[in-house]
Amino acid sequence: SQQGEEDPQALSIQEGENATMNCSYKTSINNLQWYRQNSGRGLVHLILIRSNEREKHSGRLRVTLDTSKKSSSLLITASRAADTASYFCATDERTDKLIFGTGTRLQVFP
Amino acid sequence: ETGVTQSPTHLIKTRGQQVTLRCSSQSGHNTVSWYQQALGQGPQFIFQYYREEENGRGNFPPRFSGLQFPNYSSELNVNALELDDSALYLCASSLGGTHQETQYFGPGTRLLVL
Repeated sequence: SQQGEEDPQALSIQEGENATMNCSYKTSINNLQWYRQNSGRGLVHLILIRSNEREKHSGRLRVTLDTSKKSSSLLITASRAADTASYFCATDERTDKLIFGTGTRLQVFP
Repeated sequence: ETGVTQSPTHLIKTRGQQVTLRCSSQSGHNTVSWYQQALGQGPQFIFQYYREEENGRGNFPPRFSGLQFPNYSSELNVNALELDDSALYLCASSLGGTHQETQYFGPGTRLLVL
């Protein structure tokens, strides 16, 4: 079963614009991770934020976590065509499983 | 590149057959997790192996089985293949036998069951 839900399901923007995608989950977590997947290939880890953190940055990525709302957001600033991919959030939800959301498909046009 | 490799890259089988997929973990990692990703969906956890023992399992039937070797590489076996088993199968390696750390994914094996 997939507990997380990303929003929107698809997003199209122009190069240089910012892209924001959101993730909601259902139960308490130890951490939340964001992954990127190009064209149905392997996933690449982007960033991990722990439940006691509220914001984290990595290069052009900014992730926020609101445990009271059980939600997270991923912001990609100054997007590039190479950022075109599917983005997934994943939570451990205090179980022995890593549970992925359904993903946001991002298309960045040159 | 994560250092995690999977073989084969693509595979076509017919219903009822058996398949074995292989994964070599990143150097220094002792944990391998397997995921099934249907088209247009997120990956779903199948099971995890930590130091050669199964360490957690998702909602998959017993015909999905696995193995981890002393060098921490792993196999996923699926018996009595069904059409719905067609998917991208991903393995991920990590250190520590939990899901609380970064997982490093291989490129996947795309399985088509006819």
